Amino acid sequence: QKEVEQDPGPLSVPEGAIVSLNCTYSNSAFQYFMWYRQYSRKGPELLMYTYSSGNKEDGRFTAQVDKSSKYISLFIRDSQPSDSATYLCAMARGNFGNEKLTFGTGTRLTIIP
Amino acid sequence: DAGVIQSPRHEVTEMGQEVTLRCKPISGHDYLFWYRQTMMRGLELLIYFNNNVPIDDSGMPEDRFSAKMPNASFSTLKIQPSEPRDSAVYFCASSTGVDEKLFFGSGTQLSVL
Repeated sequence: QKEVEQDPGPLSVPEGAIVSLNCTYSNSAFQYFMWYRQYSRKGPELLMYTYSSGNKEDGRFTAQVDKSSKYISLFIRDSQPSDSATYLCAMARGNFGNEKLTFGTGTRLTIIP
Repeated sequence: DAGVIQSPRHEVTEMGQEVTLRCKPISGHDYLFWYRQTMMRGLELLIYFNNNVPIDDSGMPEDRFSAKMPNASFSTLKIQPSEPRDSAVYFCASSTGVDEKLFFGSGTQLSVL
């Protein structure tokens, strides 16, 4: 079993819909949770960065962490065609710089105009 | 800042040839990472450096792969000899090490025929 599981999709939704992307993990030591967005033929770019459990909102994006369930989510409100990309979750225990980030395999999202 | 700069963007070579990928990290970032991305395996960490010193190369698949960082502004990943199964997108990323935020380059698409 992988440490981080992510549904690869693809996921297609109409413009304006609410999108929910999810990852589950098995290592209870993870404390830092990130979402990266990757456009086609580009490198991943950091979208959201959260610590421990709870919610974090940034514009149309909300990151949610439920450590008791080992489950994290990214919600996109009022989705736009420009949100079409692959979304990767990533996690770390902390110990900055001294360990590897663990990435999910990514979910490919398409927003249909 | 121009971000992480990688070259070349695309590399097509024949099996058995030497391939050298290049990376310039963001100025002031003390950590540099080399990742490989494939559809099957997602993002895999190959090696990372701290202050130009290799810290963890356990992800380097074989002795055919080597990486160097002669100074704070330049790193190379070399594959010699290359094989078709090395075909992938290779990303370089850098980080301050203060937190787990990684900044990725645009990647090098490598095709080994």
